[in-house]
Amino acid sequence: DAGVIQSPRHEVTEMGQEVTLRCKPISGHDYLFWYRQTMMRGLELLIYFNNNVPIDDSGMPEDRFSAKMPNASFSTLKIQPSEPRDSAVYFCASSFASGTRIDQPQHFGDGTRLSIL
Amino acid sequence: GNSVTQMEGPVTLSEEAFLTINCTYTATGYPSLFWYVQYPGEGLQLLLKATKADDKGSNKGFEATYRKETTSFHLEKGSVQVSDSAVYFCALRSNTGNQFYFGTGTSLTVIP
Repeated sequence: DAGVIQSPRHEVTEMGQEVTLRCKPISGHDYLFWYRQTMMRGLELLIYFNNNVPIDDSGMPEDRFSAKMPNASFSTLKIQPSEPRDSAVYFCASSFASGTRIDQPQHFGDGTRLSIL
Repeated sequence: GNSVTQMEGPVTLSEEAFLTINCTYTATGYPSLFWYVQYPGEGLQLLLKATKADDKGSNKGFEATYRKETTSFHLEKGSVQVSDSAVYFCALRSNTGNQFYFGTGTSLTVIP
């Protein structure tokens, strides 16, 4: 089975540039999550979607961050303009709705390591 | 509310030592509990899970028992290997919502 697929794996860009991170969730999963991981702050939930609709974006750090899910198989996280403090590893994860599947875990992609110079 | 508290790291052990990483939780409803492992440069991978009280999850020699009375889900392994060096995350999923709640992670280094 294909897992969660993220691209690119690494991104290095200069401050002020637009950055777009991409995610393909596992087919059939109802929920998609975006996380950011840094040494200082650990794993932070940024936003999550249910059936392509954003449910909670309270973790998005500021208006420079935006996320979309135009269909069930694709999501993007954009940063515009980017700043050095955005440097982190960004993970996408997907899961089934809890319902009768509360035992189902989240499945993570391998992440995008973002460096803003 | 829902939250997970994990033992602070880092933890350094010699090969073949016994490992315990403590995890306690607070939750609304009846959560499922998970341990994830993250190897360097990779994403989080499910290690094991337990879905109800007294369940024991196990995988690759690791075990954790869902203890409702102490709200705990401690990770154990009888004999660690160098290849177990990674960061371990405890997590819960409440049946009242669809978010997952993660602990802060515990870094384990196993030395030969």
